[in-house]
Amino acid sequence: QIQLVQSGPELKKPGESVKISCKASGYTFTDYAMHWVKQAPGKGLKWMGWINTYTGKPTYADDFKGRFVFSLEASASTANLQISNLKNEDTATYFCARGVRGTDYWGQGVMVTVSS
Amino acid sequence: ETVMTQSPTSMSTSIGERVTLNCKASQSVGINVDWYQQTPGQSPKLLIYGASNRHTGVPDRFTGSGFGRDFTLTISNVEAEDLAVYYCLQYGSIPYTFGAGTKLELK
Repeated sequence: QIQLVQSGPELKKPGESVKISCKASGYTFTDYAMHWVKQAPGKGLKWMGWINTYTGKPTYADDFKGRFVFSLEASASTANLQISNLKNEDTATYFCARGVRGTDYWGQGVMVTVSS
Repeated sequence: ETVMTQSPTSMSTSIGERVTLNCKASQSVGINVDWYQQTPGQSPKLLIYGASNRHTGVPDRFTGSGFGRDFTLTISNVEAEDLAVYYCLQYGSIPYTFGAGTKLELK
């Protein structure tokens, strides 16, 4: 069955970096895009962008240009999200979601907490 | 960017009732709208794609409709497991944008 399994929770200090992963199984990884979505505590969903898993080309929403990087380890069917120079407002759960039209299957989410 | 306005923000219902949730786009998005259900502590689950198509395994009490700017999600015969937050997503233009959500609660 189709699954997206994300890495575990992270506790970081402001200014540090974090890399979270999303391992796909149950389908051909390069046949579908991978999207990233942010959900701050108690808030709604915010689309961060997507990565073409065939070409590796990322597309970022304006609010996520600069400190955010989408990458792939295609041989491992894994998509990654790296956030550098972490700020308190980056505290959130980050989801990966398989892209088809919109999205269909989602990972379980990774809680990233930024606190001094 | 296309703003998706969901209404109401929250609504109270009883088990067995029929409810209608709304989503209005600031510009036409064709049929490029999904609906998602999120329960506390869980990831969103796709219910409806392409405005009116049920995702695999979604009960037929969930019905989506709409085109252009106005979209609805109707839940017939509400069950306890349907109490959740519902989001619409437009993917007609970049950036994709979600509505702010409608929280469905028990009356």
